[in-house]
Amino acid sequence: QITLKESGPTLVKPTQTLTLTCTFSGFSLSTSGVGVGWIRQPPGKALEWLALIYWDDDKRYSPSLKSRLTITKDTSKNQVVLTMTNMDPVDTATYYCAHDYVWGSYRYNLDYWGQGTLVTVSS
Amino acid sequence: DIVMTQTPLSSPVTLGQPASISCRSSQSLVHSDGNTYLSWLQQRPGQPPRLLIYKISNRFSGVPDRFSGSGAGTDFTLKISRVEAEDVGVYYCMQATQFPFTFGGGTKVEIK
Repeated sequence: QITLKESGPTLVKPTQTLTLTCTFSGFSLSTSGVGVGWIRQPPGKALEWLALIYWDDDKRYSPSLKSRLTITKDTSKNQVVLTMTNMDPVDTATYYCAHDYVWGSYRYNLDYWGQGTLVTVSS
Repeated sequence: DIVMTQTPLSSPVTLGQPASISCRSSQSLVHSDGNTYLSWLQQRPGQPPRLLIYKISNRFSGVPDRFSGSGAGTDFTLKISRVEAEDVGVYYCMQATQFPFTFGGGTKVEIK
């Protein structure tokens, strides 16, 4: 049974760096094809894909946010960490992590999601 | 980036009646491997998104068969054959053919 859970601060100040942790179970990031991604959703708005890291440390970022994002994994702890620098009030959103799987043409993109964590950016 | 456009924005439906949502991509979603990585997700009120359909028409584990997906190239459709109360929420299409993954703006399904 695959589960994911996001954790991190609920409130950050403008210009600060946000660090979010996704802790998961039911799969391993050392298994070929497995990935974990981050997606955010401002209140009342649509989903926005941010970043994704695969079992082989391949990392992909949203081009519009690439300069501010870093995604890393700790396979031994079953965790993926996302950092976002220079936070702004427009970054206020619920941040989700999700499981991904790509192995050739076998793909289950963002098939399991965490409950999300609301991050508010305000002074 | 591939832009995903959904219509309608809102779909009021009578219980037991069908619903249909369209999604159009700004370029073909056919991957170099020949597959089309178009998914549909459901987000019930106060809940995280949930994968319903992947690769245009494949229902994910546990998804009722009243949900079906179709389409090709740049035009895709999600259909609910008979809407139930638990189907209320926002539906998103998503393309994973090319990075960055992109989502449609969402279609709200509500009961009349």
